Amino acid sequence: NAGVMQNPRHLVRRRGQEARLRCSPMKGHSHVYWYRQLPEEGLKFMVYLQKENIIDESGMPKERFSAEFPKEGPSILRIQQVVRGDSAAYFCASSGEGQGRTEAFFGQGTRLTVV
Amino acid sequence: RKEVEQDPGPFNVPEGATVAFNCTYSNSASQSFFWYRQDCRKEPKLLMSVYSSGNEDGRFTAQLNRASQYISLLIRDSKLSDSATYLCVVNIRRNYQLIWGAGTKLIIKP
Repeated sequence: NAGVMQNPRHLVRRRGQEARLRCSPMKGHSHVYWYRQLPEEGLKFMVYLQKENIIDESGMPKERFSAEFPKEGPSILRIQQVVRGDSAAYFCASSGEGQGRTEAFFGQGTRLTVV
Repeated sequence: RKEVEQDPGPFNVPEGATVAFNCTYSNSASQSFFWYRQDCRKEPKLLMSVYSSGNEDGRFTAQLNRASQYISLLIRDSKLSDSATYLCVVNIRRNYQLIWGAGTKLIIKP
């Protein structure tokens, strides 16, 4: 039973390119959370999704950032026209429903570097 | 007011001391509570769940106070390896959404 899988682990993009980060939740989990962590700072909530639906995107910048969690396949966080300030670690977590299954598990993160 | 609030710290504590920090939550429909630990530049990991009756795991004790809407984490005989950021997480009964605190940074000094 694999844990939360994020890929790639490291991603380098030039300014202006697109970055696409993937997160495969744990088996049976239908809730996905994305977080960004800048160097020397805490986790910052970005977006919360349930299957095919964005429930809360209050932490996500309105421009250039988008997220999806399709019925089939991983959740995707997409950053268009990346800038240096997008360089950060992006963590994904998933959780389930029901008694004793609501705790979240994190992936190891994707470290994005914009050059 | 944030739904889940934590003192960001840092808490600077000498090795061997006892340290405690709280996390307050605003939604009375909160159902489940957790403490996570994050080491520098790594993913957060579940430290312990918090039960209504309180629970203890070695040097760590977690308590829930529903009347005052807060949870606490107590660390006894602190070790250098306890240095980390501790995140409080609350699960909302309505839709199982997890609400995360911003974390409390703990630094244990020799």
